[in-house]
Amino acid sequence: RKEVEQDPGPFNVPEGATVAFNCTYSNSASQSFFWYRQDCRKEPKLLMSVYSSGNEDGRFTAQLNRASQYISLLIRDSKLSDSATYLCVVIHTGGFKTIFGAGTRLFVKA
Amino acid sequence: NAGVMQNPRHLVRRRGQEARLRCSPMKGHSHVYWYRQLPEEGLKFMVYLQKENIIDESGMPKERFSAEFPKEGPSILRIQQVVRGDSAAYFCASSPSAGVMDAEAFFGQGTRLTVV
Repeated sequence: RKEVEQDPGPFNVPEGATVAFNCTYSNSASQSFFWYRQDCRKEPKLLMSVYSSGNEDGRFTAQLNRASQYISLLIRDSKLSDSATYLCVVIHTGGFKTIFGAGTRLFVKA
Repeated sequence: NAGVMQNPRHLVRRRGQEARLRCSPMKGHSHVYWYRQLPEEGLKFMVYLQKENIIDESGMPKERFSAEFPKEGPSILRIQQVVRGDSAAYFCASSPSAGVMDAEAFFGQGTRLTVV
């Protein structure tokens, strides 16, 4: 079983739609969680951290469920510019090894 | 405050040649990760290094690939006797020293290797 798993998609949604991605992780000792965004042929960049209490940044909301070992990303009112690949990232305790999911592709259409 | 620097950005090699990819982490970062991304695919973990130590190389192919992160200088990913299947984007990321909570990783712009 992969340490971090994501649905590869693609998710094809119209502008204005709400879309949600989930990511599961297998190591219960995982400590920190992030969502990264990767545009075509570019390097991944940090989108937001994920806290136990959940956090929101504009149209983006991230949630962590430690009991079920998954994190989620919700995007409201999708824009064309949201089209990208979204990577789930997990950091383990001890050694701070960073594990990236393979990513979920999102296409937002006009 | 320079970010993660990778060079070269683009590298073309003939089959059988060696490819050397360099990564200078952000200032103050002592953890380096190498990832490979094939066209239209996700990032695949290759190796995790700290200064002078390989911590986890479980994603590295058993042959032809090696990585180092010396005390001085950049981290190097070395691919010997390249084959067409090695053509990919190779990303390096760095994160702060152990002990820093919520340590996000910053990526370099990648090296695109093309084997002809």
